[in-house]
Amino acid sequence: ETGVTQSPTHLIKTRGQQVTLRCSSQSGHNTVSWYQQALGQGPQFIFQYYREEENGRGNFPPRFSGLQFPNYSSELNVNALELDDSALYLCASSPKGETQYFGPGTRLLVL
Amino acid sequence: GIQVEQSPPDLILQEGANSTLRCNFSDSVNNLQWFHQNPWGQLINLFYIPSGTKQNGRLSATTVATERYSLLYISSSQTTDSGVYFCAGPQGGSEKLVFGKGTKLTVNP
Repeated sequence: ETGVTQSPTHLIKTRGQQVTLRCSSQSGHNTVSWYQQALGQGPQFIFQYYREEENGRGNFPPRFSGLQFPNYSSELNVNALELDDSALYLCASSPKGETQYFGPGTRLLVL
Repeated sequence: GIQVEQSPPDLILQEGANSTLRCNFSDSVNNLQWFHQNPWGQLINLFYIPSGTKQNGRLSATTVATERYSLLYISSSQTTDSGVYFCAGPQGGSEKLVFGKGTKLTVNP
């Protein structure tokens, strides 16, 4: 059974640019959640997708957007990057309402 | 919303020592989870423990839901136990996980 995978592993962007991060959910999981983890902090919930629809959103501006595809994989898009967007971005998948399992994360650095 | 507080923030042990990590939460949670984040950033599920006690090898966890806290016990610690330990609970009736700030554990040989 393949676990949750994310790509790329590392990324460097400059302020104002746009970025797309990708997540493949674990087999059998129809829900994907995205979290942002700043250095020295716990992960913060960005949003969740269930069956291709947004199913809850945290306190993040609209320039953070997402998609979920029919195979339950997902993308996180961030527009107009700011320095404070530098963080580890974690994706988690789960069957609806059950324990979330996390991928290895994408480290984003905004210069 | 729910607040999650973890203590201590940092813990340094010698290999072989035992430790207890604590997680307090401001509201009742129906599925408290413990995670270990390794130095590469991977979050690994340790326990899903809404109440009671569970054990997995050298690790065990106890949640007292009525008193809104959970404890993670690590016995005979090893250097590979190093990393950051997080507890998290869902926000209200949602599936949004709210994390504490973590306990950074360093186990020295």
